Amino acid sequence: ETGVTQSPTHLIKTRGQQVTLRCSSQSGHNTVSWYQQALGQGPQFIFQYYREEENGRGNFPPRFSGLQFPNYSSELNVNALELDDSALYLCASSSDRDQPQHFGDGTRLSIL
Amino acid sequence: GIQVEQSPPDLILQEGANSTLRCNFSDSVNNLQWFHQNPWGQLINLFYIPSGTKQNGRLSATTVATERYSLLYISSSQTTDSGVYFCAVRGGSYIPTFGRGTSLIVHP
Repeated sequence: ETGVTQSPTHLIKTRGQQVTLRCSSQSGHNTVSWYQQALGQGPQFIFQYYREEENGRGNFPPRFSGLQFPNYSSELNVNALELDDSALYLCASSSDRDQPQHFGDGTRLSIL
Repeated sequence: GIQVEQSPPDLILQEGANSTLRCNFSDSVNNLQWFHQNPWGQLINLFYIPSGTKQNGRLSATTVATERYSLLYISSSQTTDSGVYFCAVRGGSYIPTFGRGTSLIVHP
């Protein structure tokens, strides 16, 4: 039990739609990172938020966007969904940027 | 960004065997973690070990930061150890980077 919760656990969308995934960080954690994990691959870093500001971004297009709220919960938004967006999306929080990450159980997104 | 290489990519063991997994990284880091991803996709934090040695039951880890590598030791392996083991680091930019993982299968 890491104290990081993600919702929903599963989601099915069609191409072109938009989706919002949510992450509730562990209490006191000011840093949240989002990852995409395709089947059989390692987690790929999407972006990181530190104290409500984007603090780094991986090689993902602008249709992947995010927010971190004052209570340090977070959202990942993906517009114009493509078939390749089908993956497990993981959220991790930490008490600071150089501290250990604690992962939620992820959201499985399927695009039809 | 920092490059992370894990070896071996795949490992098959009989129950009771010992193993060593390696993680090499290309630059200095201020954060290194080992994770176990179980068949349900959950990433379990095994060690936070930017330097030094730690032990937790049958598992131990050593990071030699000056030589840019970390080792994860699994002793007396059990079938429940099966899964994928990831090394993840953060450097001066605080951007996290995962290795490709080591897939471990332990046969009874």
